[in-house]
Amino acid sequence: AQTVTQSQPEMSVQEAETVTLSCTYDTSENNYYLFWYKQPPSRQMILVIRQEAYKQQNATENRFSVNFQKAAKSFSLKISDSQLGDTAMYFCAFMIVTGNQFYFGTGTSLTVIP
Amino acid sequence: GAGVSQTPSNKVTEKGKYVELRCDPISGHTALYWYRQSLGQGPEFLIYFQGTGAADDSGLPNDRFFAVRPEGSVSTLKIQRTERGDSAVYLCASSSTGVGGYTFGSGTRLTVV
Repeated sequence: AQTVTQSQPEMSVQEAETVTLSCTYDTSENNYYLFWYKQPPSRQMILVIRQEAYKQQNATENRFSVNFQKAAKSFSLKISDSQLGDTAMYFCAFMIVTGNQFYFGTGTSLTVIP
Repeated sequence: GAGVSQTPSNKVTEKGKYVELRCDPISGHTALYWYRQSLGQGPEFLIYFQGTGAADDSGLPNDRFFAVRPEGSVSTLKIQRTERGDSAVYLCASSSTGVGGYTFGSGTRLTVV
């Protein structure tokens, strides 16, 4: 079975500060992709960042970066210089390379405080 | 279109009624997915289409749920004899290149009263 765990239901951060969202997952597969998605009130899931499990180098995308620890099955998201527009639900997810579906966690609600 | 369009945006129906939810994928995207997001949860996979055929329907919870994509573009998710537990946001996504190329719609919020 594939599972994704996000242990922080809610988090807050001051504008311009840095925040880290945690995610752990469990799978017996070796080849997969990991994702962080943002879901604002509009409900659309927006891709924040993606990591291929075979890559050791952590992915970065502007203010967003990940800390991928494959052995520990951990995939945290760091948001630097937080902005008010970052306020949203954040979902960690993975997909097996040969599969066709995402496995999502339960999400972390992030609030950026002015 | 420019994005994945889902209609209606919100739907309220009475228990026992039949509902249809529509998804208009990005033009040219051959793969289409339906997910269900219950309150306080992440999206859960329902069904995946490649072209006109359902390549994987393992996520459909029971036989009250059915989805079609007759011409390989628009898809309709159909729910018969709705129950209060069917209340959720139903998300659709489409893709042309597989991983990383997904675009999600804004979903349909279904409320069964």
